[in-house]
This record gives sequence, C-alpha cells and structure tokens, in this order.
Amino acid sequence: GAVVSQHPSRVICKSGTSVKIECRSLDFQATTMFWYRQFPKQSLMLMATSNEGSKATYEQGVEKDKFLINHASLTLSTLTVTSAHPEDSSFYICSARGTAAVGGYTFGSGTRLTVV
Amino acid sequence: GQNIDQPTEMTATEGAIVQINCTYQTSGFNGLFWYQQHAGEAPTFLSYNVLDGLEEKGRFSSFLSRSKGYSYLLLKELQMKDSASYLCAGGETPLVFGKGTRLSVIA
Repeated sequence: GAVVSQHPSRVICKSGTSVKIECRSLDFQATTMFWYRQFPKQSLMLMATSNEGSKATYEQGVEKDKFLINHASLTLSTLTVTSAHPEDSSFYICSARGTAAVGGYTFGSGTRLTVV
Repeated sequence: GQNIDQPTEMTATEGAIVQINCTYQTSGFNGLFWYQQHAGEAPTFLSYNVLDGLEEKGRFSSFLSRSKGYSYLLLKELQMKDSASYLCAGGETPLVFGKGTRLSVIA
C-alpha cells in the first residue's frame, strides 16, 4: 500500500533555531501534500497545502514566513519551522494525496517537535 | 462553513460493542473517513464511505447517511488495544477533521 515516510520522528531544538521535517512518498507520486499540526488532546489542524512545483497555500493564521514549505518533487515535501519558539512545540503530520492511497490520503508517521 | 462534530469521550467494556457518532456540515463532500489515533502517533486509516450504507471490515464497521450528514463507527468485540482517539474526517480537499473521540476500553 501507499506509504509516506516522515522524518525525524522526534526532535528537540533550542529556541531561535530552525527545524526541517521531511515527508517522502514511497511507491507513489504525491501530487498534493497537506501539513497538519496537532496540539495535545486537540484535533488535526491544517496548516498548509502544497502542490508539486508551486507555492504552498497557507491557512488563515499560519505564518508563511515562519513555516516554509517546499514541494520540489512528486515524492518529497519539506516543512521548515524557522526561528522556533516554545509555542511551536507540537505534533506535525504530513498527508499525501496521490492515486495509490486508499480514499486518496496517506499520513506520515508524525514529528514530535519540542522547542526548549 | 465546515463543521464536524463527534463526542469528546466514551468508555466501554472489553468485549462489548460501541458506536461513535459523527455529524458533519461541509461545503463539499468527497467521502467520510474514520481514523484511529493512539497517543503520540499519527492517525491510521480505518474506513472510507462515499455512498450511503454500512461498510463492514472485520470488527469495525462504518455507516454513512449523506442526506442526514451523519456517520458512525461501530467497534465490536472491544479489546483493550482499541483504547485510542477516533477521528471523523470529511469534506472536500483538504479533509476537515473532527476533534476526535477518546475511547477508553475497561476490563
């Protein structure tokens, strides 16, 4: 079945530094990648949608200059949290949409970001 | 507007049956999804309904009524490992998620 590999699974960084999260679609082409954020005991909140080769579309309230998304190929999308602060600590999950996924969506395994 | 509602918490006994309801109001509809999410992990796909009716898959079944904007997930023969959050999601692209129902299975 369709698999999305997400790395790293856990990362701890110092306040003010940047962190890059990668999502790779294995065995299928991810034409669209969705990036979600989930705070404890909360639902998945969509941050942005990216299509290969074009600029990402950000949801209201999400700073595009802080959360840089690059979807340079059909198998790789990255989210970079720039100048991270403790309030950015969260669970970040990507979801790819491609023809191989059941119902159209496959989730990565998630990245637990802790900013200290 | 987009809105998906489901109960916040439920408790059920091992071996029993539990039904988790979901109502939705979305501007478009490409199907209704159910995901299971254990604490600290990403959601895993459980079921997808695009037509009215019941879809059965082992111990899990999902039902959809498009006219009523209603779905439910039915879990049979509950096991302790079924303790998790269950997320209802729907709408068009991208998916809109409910806040999840935290299910606790007790002995």
